Amino acid sequence: NAGVTQTPKFRVLKTGQSMTLLCAQDMNHEYMYWYRQDPGMGLRLIHYSVGEGTTAKGEVPDGYNVSRLKKQNFLLGLESAAPSQTSVYFCASSQRRSGRANEQFFGPGTRLTVL
Amino acid sequence: AQKITQTQPGMFVQEKEAVTLDCTYDTSDQSYGLFWYKQPSSGEMIFLIYQGSYDEQNATEGRYSLNFQKARKSANLVISASQLGDSAMYFCAMREGDNQFYFGTGTSLTVIP
Repeated sequence: NAGVTQTPKFRVLKTGQSMTLLCAQDMNHEYMYWYRQDPGMGLRLIHYSVGEGTTAKGEVPDGYNVSRLKKQNFLLGLESAAPSQTSVYFCASSQRRSGRANEQFFGPGTRLTVL
Repeated sequence: AQKITQTQPGMFVQEKEAVTLDCTYDTSDQSYGLFWYKQPSSGEMIFLIYQGSYDEQNATEGRYSLNFQKARKSANLVISASQLGDSAMYFCAMREGDNQFYFGTGTSLTVIP
Protein backbone atom coordinates (compact mmCIF):
# COMPACT_ATOMS: atom_id res chain seq x y z
CA ASN A 1 0.00 0.00 0.00
CA ALA A 2 1.26 3.45 -0.90
CA GLY A 3 -0.81 5.15 1.83
CA VAL A 4 -1.34 8.81 1.04
CA THR A 5 0.45 10.26 -1.97
CA GLN A 6 0.63 13.84 -3.18
CA THR A 7 1.41 15.24 -6.62
CA PRO A 8 3.51 17.28 -7.29
CA LYS A 9 6.19 17.38 -4.59
CA PHE A 10 7.41 20.84 -5.54
CA ARG A 11 5.98 23.66 -7.63
CA VAL A 12 6.82 27.27 -8.37
CA LEU A 13 4.03 29.53 -9.63
CA LYS A 14 3.81 33.13 -10.67
CA THR A 15 1.20 35.36 -9.07
CA GLY A 16 -2.15 34.86 -10.78
CA GLN A 17 -1.43 31.40 -12.15
CA SER A 18 -3.65 28.49 -11.29
CA MET A 19 -2.82 24.94 -10.30
CA THR A 20 -4.28 21.79 -8.82
CA LEU A 21 -2.70 19.61 -6.16
CA LEU A 22 -3.68 15.97 -6.22
CA CYS A 23 -4.01 13.75 -3.17
CA ALA A 24 -4.64 10.03 -3.47
CA GLN A 25 -5.13 7.39 -0.78
CA ASP A 26 -5.44 3.62 -1.12
CA MET A 27 -6.71 2.86 2.39
CA ASN A 28 -10.41 3.21 1.56
CA HIS A 29 -10.70 6.07 4.03
CA GLU A 30 -13.92 8.08 4.12
CA TYR A 31 -12.41 11.33 5.33
CA MET A 32 -9.80 13.43 3.58
CA TYR A 33 -8.21 16.76 4.49
CA TRP A 34 -6.01 19.51 3.12
CA TYR A 35 -3.72 21.50 5.41
CA ARG A 36 -1.13 24.18 4.94
CA GLN A 37 1.96 24.51 7.10
CA ASP A 38 3.67 27.85 7.45
CA PRO A 39 6.76 28.57 9.56
CA GLY A 40 5.79 29.14 13.17
CA MET A 41 2.11 28.49 12.47
CA GLY A 42 1.72 24.73 12.71
CA LEU A 43 -0.80 23.06 10.40
CA ARG A 44 -4.04 24.78 9.53
CA LEU A 45 -7.03 23.02 8.00
CA ILE A 46 -8.05 24.40 4.61
CA HIS A 47 -10.89 22.10 3.50
CA TYR A 48 -12.00 18.60 4.26
CA SER A 49 -14.32 15.95 2.85
CA VAL A 50 -16.40 13.34 4.67
CA GLY A 51 -17.13 11.35 1.55
CA GLU A 52 -17.30 11.25 -2.22
CA GLY A 53 -19.03 14.32 -3.57
CA THR A 54 -18.95 16.28 -0.29
CA THR A 55 -16.58 19.01 0.87
CA ALA A 56 -16.54 21.49 3.74
CA LYS A 57 -14.51 24.50 4.84
CA GLY A 58 -11.85 24.35 7.47
CA GLU A 59 -10.07 27.11 9.31
CA VAL A 60 -8.46 28.90 6.32
CA PRO A 61 -10.48 28.14 3.15
CA ASP A 62 -10.22 31.48 1.31
CA GLY A 63 -8.44 31.33 -2.04
CA TYR A 64 -8.79 27.55 -2.37
CA ASN A 65 -11.32 25.19 -3.86
CA VAL A 66 -11.57 21.44 -3.52
CA SER A 67 -13.28 18.51 -5.15
CA ARG A 68 -13.81 14.88 -4.18
CA LEU A 69 -15.16 13.20 -7.29
CA LYS A 70 -13.75 9.81 -6.34
CA LYS A 71 -13.40 8.39 -2.85
CA GLN A 72 -9.67 7.88 -3.20
CA ASN A 73 -8.84 11.35 -4.56
CA PHE A 74 -9.05 14.83 -3.08
CA LEU A 75 -8.05 17.79 -5.24
CA LEU A 76 -6.97 21.21 -3.99
CA GLY A 77 -7.18 24.06 -6.48
CA LEU A 78 -5.70 27.53 -6.49
CA GLU A 79 -7.51 29.63 -9.09
CA SER A 80 -5.30 32.71 -8.87
CA ALA A 81 -2.19 32.08 -6.80
CA ALA A 82 -0.91 34.77 -4.44
CA PRO A 83 2.45 35.01 -2.63
CA SER A 84 0.57 34.51 0.66
CA GLN A 85 -0.20 30.99 -0.52
CA THR A 86 3.48 30.04 -0.47
CA SER A 87 3.47 27.15 1.96
CA VAL A 88 3.85 23.42 2.41
CA TYR A 89 0.58 21.64 1.73
CA PHE A 90 -0.27 18.36 3.41
CA CYS A 91 -3.06 16.00 2.55
CA ALA A 92 -4.37 13.53 5.12
CA SER A 93 -7.01 10.82 5.33
CA SER A 94 -8.77 8.96 8.13
CA GLN A 95 -11.45 6.38 8.76
CA ARG A 96 -15.00 7.35 9.71
CA ARG A 97 -14.80 6.35 13.37
CA SER A 98 -14.09 8.19 16.55
CA GLY A 99 -11.11 7.68 18.77
CA ARG A 100 -7.84 6.22 17.61
CA ALA A 101 -9.45 5.13 14.40
CA ASN A 102 -9.86 8.79 13.57
CA GLU A 103 -6.08 9.05 13.40
CA GLN A 104 -5.00 10.94 10.32
CA PHE A 105 -2.50 9.51 7.89
CA PHE A 106 -0.51 12.21 6.14
CA GLY A 107 1.02 12.48 2.71
CA PRO A 108 4.62 13.63 2.23
CA GLY A 109 3.66 17.24 1.47
CA THR A 110 3.86 19.61 -1.51
CA ARG A 111 6.14 22.62 -1.30
CA LEU A 112 4.56 25.49 -3.22
CA THR A 113 6.24 28.80 -3.91
CA VAL A 114 4.33 31.69 -5.43
CA LEU A 115 6.51 34.46 -6.84
CA ALA B 1 -8.24 32.46 21.22
CA GLN B 2 -5.79 29.75 20.27
CA LYS B 3 -7.33 26.31 20.23
CA ILE B 4 -3.99 24.61 20.90
CA THR B 5 -1.09 26.23 22.71
CA GLN B 6 2.41 24.86 22.82
CA THR B 7 4.52 27.24 24.85
CA GLN B 8 7.91 25.60 24.33
CA PRO B 9 9.36 26.55 20.92
CA GLY B 10 12.47 24.48 21.61
CA MET B 11 13.52 21.86 24.12
CA PHE B 12 16.74 19.99 24.80
CA VAL B 13 17.04 16.63 26.53
CA GLN B 14 19.95 14.36 27.31
CA GLU B 15 19.89 10.98 25.64
CA LYS B 16 18.17 8.33 27.82
CA GLU B 17 16.44 10.98 29.93
CA ALA B 18 12.70 11.67 29.96
CA VAL B 19 11.19 14.88 28.60
CA THR B 20 7.74 16.49 28.82
CA LEU B 21 6.33 18.58 26.00
CA ASP B 22 3.51 20.87 27.05
CA CYS B 23 0.16 21.30 25.36
CA THR B 24 -2.95 23.13 26.48
CA TYR B 25 -6.19 23.28 24.58
CA ASP B 26 -9.35 25.31 24.47
CA THR B 27 -12.75 23.86 23.67
CA SER B 28 -16.29 23.98 24.99
CA ASP B 29 -17.14 20.61 23.45
CA GLN B 30 -17.62 17.63 25.73
CA SER B 31 -16.42 15.17 23.12
CA TYR B 32 -13.05 15.81 21.54
CA GLY B 33 -9.80 14.05 20.75
CA LEU B 34 -6.21 14.97 21.38
CA PHE B 35 -3.30 13.82 19.23
CA TRP B 36 0.44 14.15 19.14
CA TYR B 37 2.40 14.00 15.91
CA LYS B 38 6.12 13.94 15.22
CA GLN B 39 7.64 15.70 12.23
CA PRO B 40 11.29 14.80 11.54
CA SER B 41 13.46 17.01 9.39
CA SER B 42 12.40 14.91 6.39
CA GLY B 43 8.97 16.53 6.71
CA GLU B 44 6.50 13.68 7.10
CA MET B 45 3.91 13.71 9.88
CA ILE B 46 4.01 10.64 12.12
CA PHE B 47 1.17 9.82 14.52
CA LEU B 48 2.37 9.14 18.07
CA ILE B 49 -0.52 8.94 20.51
CA TYR B 50 -4.21 9.68 20.99
CA GLN B 51 -6.37 10.58 24.00
CA GLY B 52 -10.14 10.80 23.91
CA SER B 53 -11.92 13.28 26.12
CA TYR B 54 -13.86 10.49 27.81
CA ASP B 55 -10.84 8.27 28.36
CA GLU B 56 -10.22 8.04 32.08
CA GLN B 57 -6.75 6.58 31.83
CA ASN B 58 -3.78 8.33 30.32
CA ALA B 59 -2.84 6.96 26.91
CA THR B 60 0.47 5.15 26.44
CA GLU B 61 2.20 3.96 23.29
CA GLY B 62 5.60 2.43 23.94
CA ARG B 63 7.92 5.19 25.14
CA TYR B 64 5.22 7.82 24.69
CA SER B 65 2.61 8.67 27.27
CA LEU B 66 0.07 11.44 27.43
CA ASN B 67 -0.46 13.22 30.73
CA PHE B 68 -4.12 14.19 30.38
CA GLN B 69 -5.46 16.69 32.91
CA LYS B 70 -8.97 17.46 31.75
CA ALA B 71 -9.82 20.12 34.32
CA ARG B 72 -6.67 22.03 33.42
CA LYS B 73 -7.20 21.36 29.70
CA SER B 74 -3.70 20.07 29.28
CA ALA B 75 -2.39 17.10 27.30
CA ASN B 76 1.34 16.92 27.80
CA LEU B 77 3.45 14.38 25.93
CA VAL B 78 6.04 12.48 27.94
CA ILE B 79 8.84 10.74 26.09
CA SER B 80 10.80 8.33 28.25
CA ALA B 81 14.36 7.16 27.59
CA SER B 82 15.00 9.71 24.83
CA GLN B 83 16.85 8.54 21.76
CA LEU B 84 18.78 10.54 19.16
CA GLY B 85 16.07 9.68 16.64
CA ASP B 86 13.53 11.54 18.77
CA SER B 87 15.00 14.85 17.61
CA ALA B 88 12.15 16.41 15.62
CA MET B 89 9.24 18.84 15.74
CA TYR B 90 6.32 17.71 17.87
CA PHE B 91 2.79 18.91 17.27
CA CYS B 92 -0.18 18.68 19.56
CA ALA B 93 -3.57 18.59 17.82
CA MET B 94 -7.23 18.53 18.79
CA ARG B 95 -10.26 17.19 16.95
CA GLU B 96 -13.54 18.99 17.63
CA GLY B 97 -16.69 17.40 16.31
CA ASP B 98 -15.99 14.84 13.65
CA ASN B 99 -13.60 16.72 11.45
CA GLN B 100 -12.38 20.07 12.69
CA PHE B 101 -8.73 19.64 13.55
CA TYR B 102 -6.51 22.25 15.15
CA PHE B 103 -2.75 22.02 15.50
CA GLY B 104 -0.36 23.85 17.77
CA THR B 105 2.72 25.68 16.56
CA GLY B 106 4.99 22.84 17.59
CA THR B 107 7.96 22.20 19.85
CA SER B 108 11.38 21.46 18.43
CA LEU B 109 13.04 18.72 20.47
CA THR B 110 16.78 18.14 20.31
CA VAL B 111 18.25 15.07 21.96
CA ILE B 112 21.84 15.59 23.08
CA PRO B 113 24.22 12.60 23.04
